Amino acid sequence: SSELTQDPAVSVALGQTVRITCQGDSFRSYYASWYQQKPGQAPVLVIYGKNNRPSGIPDRFSGSSSGNTASLTITGAQADDEADYYCNSRDSRGNHVLFGGGTKLTVL
Amino acid sequence: QLQLQESGPGLVKPSQTLSLTCTVSGGSISSGNYYWTWIRQPAGKGLEWIGRIYTSGSTNYHPSLKSRVTISVDTSKNQFSLKLSSVTAADTAVYFCARGVDYGGNSLYFQHWGQGSLVTVSS
Repeated sequence: SSELTQDPAVSVALGQTVRITCQGDSFRSYYASWYQQKPGQAPVLVIYGKNNRPSGIPDRFSGSSSGNTASLTITGAQADDEADYYCNSRDSRGNHVLFGGGTKLTVL
Repeated sequence: QLQLQESGPGLVKPSQTLSLTCTVSGGSISSGNYYWTWIRQPAGKGLEWIGRIYTSGSTNYHPSLKSRVTISVDTSKNQFSLKLSSVTAADTAVYFCARGVDYGGNSLYFQHWGQGSLVTVSS
């Protein structure tokens, strides 16, 4: 398959936990990376590999994977986490790069 | 600190060729096991991978754009470039350049991005 599928929108109450998911056949072989994008800005990498955070990314962000679904979990969501989130991986043949359609996270 | 900066015309006429350059600073484009990538984002829509180039010159392109895309690298200038031919209004987007990393044999990621360059296709 050459697609990664995300829910278009998710909401979470301030301080609560939210999971953003991404479905695709590639996750049976590869891990997802996750990006946060705020309006008018370039995406920012928040998770890569099995569950790695770049320097400067808060530890409330974590990643996991099961079967054909990759997940980004934000534990204790903050107002500053309101943004679009994109998953990213290879296609199942490994030759091309895929992005999910993005999930708009609203923090209530 | 690695930085990437896109440059090129902000307006391209339909049927013409879109050309963008990404200048890399703070590190050599030739060093390390990286690849150099173009990604675009139409207004209000998601990210779309266009293609990538390794410093060896090896390329991969998005299947739907493959017939119109050329990505090249100029190591002497620490730059890589995108050419997209026969553009239409559907190619109007913010174009990002980014450095890609294959990690652990089973993942990839883009940690360094340019700020993005808006290209509008219009007569």
